[in-house]
Amino acid sequence: EAGVAQSPRYKIIEKRQSVAFWCNPISGHATLYWYQQILGQGPKLLIQFQNNGVVDDSQLPKDRFSAERLKGVDSTLKIQPAKLEDSAVYLCASSPDQISTDTQYFGPGTRLTVL
Amino acid sequence: DQQVKQNSPSLSVQEGRISILNCDYTNSMFDYFLWYKKYPAEGPTFLISISSIKDKNEDGRFTVFLNKSAKHLSLHIVPSQPGDSAVYFCAASKAAGNKLTFGGGTRVLVKP
Repeated sequence: EAGVAQSPRYKIIEKRQSVAFWCNPISGHATLYWYQQILGQGPKLLIQFQNNGVVDDSQLPKDRFSAERLKGVDSTLKIQPAKLEDSAVYLCASSPDQISTDTQYFGPGTRLTVL
Repeated sequence: DQQVKQNSPSLSVQEGRISILNCDYTNSMFDYFLWYKKYPAEGPTFLISISSIKDKNEDGRFTVFLNKSAKHLSLHIVPSQPGDSAVYFCAASKAAGNKLTFGGGTRVLVKP
């Protein structure tokens, strides 16, 4: 079974530029999560999708971050414009459904550096 | 406001000995707790969980203990192996399936 795929693995941009990250969850997984992990901290949930609907985006900085999962499969997270404090690893995770907290499978992440 | 805290950023232990990782939480609404393990350049992987109706859960070399009155949980790894060297995250939610709140992680080094 293929795992959660993310691309790119690394990205370096200058502040005020835009960037987009892509995630392809495990086949058949209805729930998809985007997390931000700042160096030295634990992952923080940014947004949770159930199929193509948003379940929780309470911690997403909506003035600059956006995410979509149009067909209920893969997802894109965008930052526009980026700030220095957005430097972090962006993790995507998926699970079969909303109830299966134990079975959140994480991708390898995208490491973003904002200069 | 850190609702889940792992106060030890790192831990070094000899192979074969016990590793004890600690985690404290402040939100009394949390009733489901998990431990994740993370290797460099990989995403976290689920290790073990415990519901608030239990005070202990065991899976092979890994045991999680929950003390609800103290709002404290711990992960015991016995015996520790070099392959256990990783960062361990404690996480909590208000129910299975709800949003996870993670601690800052503890880096474990198991020396041969």
